[in-house]
Amino acid sequence: EVQLVESGGRLVKPGGSLRLSCAASGFSFSSYSMNWVRQAPGKGLEWVSSLNSFSSYVFYGDSVRGRFTISRDNAKNSLFLQMNSLRVEDAAVYYCARGIGILTANQPPRGYAMDVWGQGTTVTVSS
Amino acid sequence: QSVLTQPPSVSAAPGQKVTISCSGKSSNIGNNYVSWYQQVPGSAPKLVIYENNKRPSGIPDRFSGSKSGSSATLSITGLQTGDEADYYCGTWDTRLSVVFGGGTKLTIL
Repeated sequence: EVQLVESGGRLVKPGGSLRLSCAASGFSFSSYSMNWVRQAPGKGLEWVSSLNSFSSYVFYGDSVRGRFTISRDNAKNSLFLQMNSLRVEDAAVYYCARGIGILTANQPPRGYAMDVWGQGTTVTVSS
Repeated sequence: QSVLTQPPSVSAAPGQKVTISCSGKSSNIGNNYVSWYQQVPGSAPKLVIYENNKRPSGIPDRFSGSKSGSSATLSITGLQTGDEADYYCGTWDTRLSVVFGGGTKLTIL
């Protein structure tokens, strides 16, 4: 069964750091690009970051660029999101999602979609 | 304020048809394919349409998509109570970012 399982979400104070993990199983993890998407309470989906299969191309949303870092370990079938300088507005459910389509530098991927999603992990930022 | 514009809500009776619109610009929908995601409250999103009109395995043919210019449409026919959910459109922008619509809540009357 194709599966993504996120972990690492917890309560953290503003200005703090957190590292989220996403464990993949049931598919060839190293063959796919991966993504983080978040959803604040009662709000819509917000894209956070995307990473191609060999970590050579990385993309970030404007609201997290410079504070968050996406990475992966293909040997361990895992995706990560290092979150620094956390703000109250970063509080959300964070989903990892598998991407179908090829990420390259300097141009948007054609026909890209996120076809498998994890159940999400909750990050709360509060003093 | 989302980059892609969707109606906040739509509703229809069981067995009827509903359409959900998604409006963007030449830099996003006008330049790329659109995907659609279904999110039942309390659950993760699920891909229901990709590349404007293709259905992933397991998605019934009651779900269809189309695109014209800088707008896209998700259509659902033969509505069932299980279709009640939030629906989001998404695509990549030429600014090298993924953009989503604000979501449309589908209510089955």
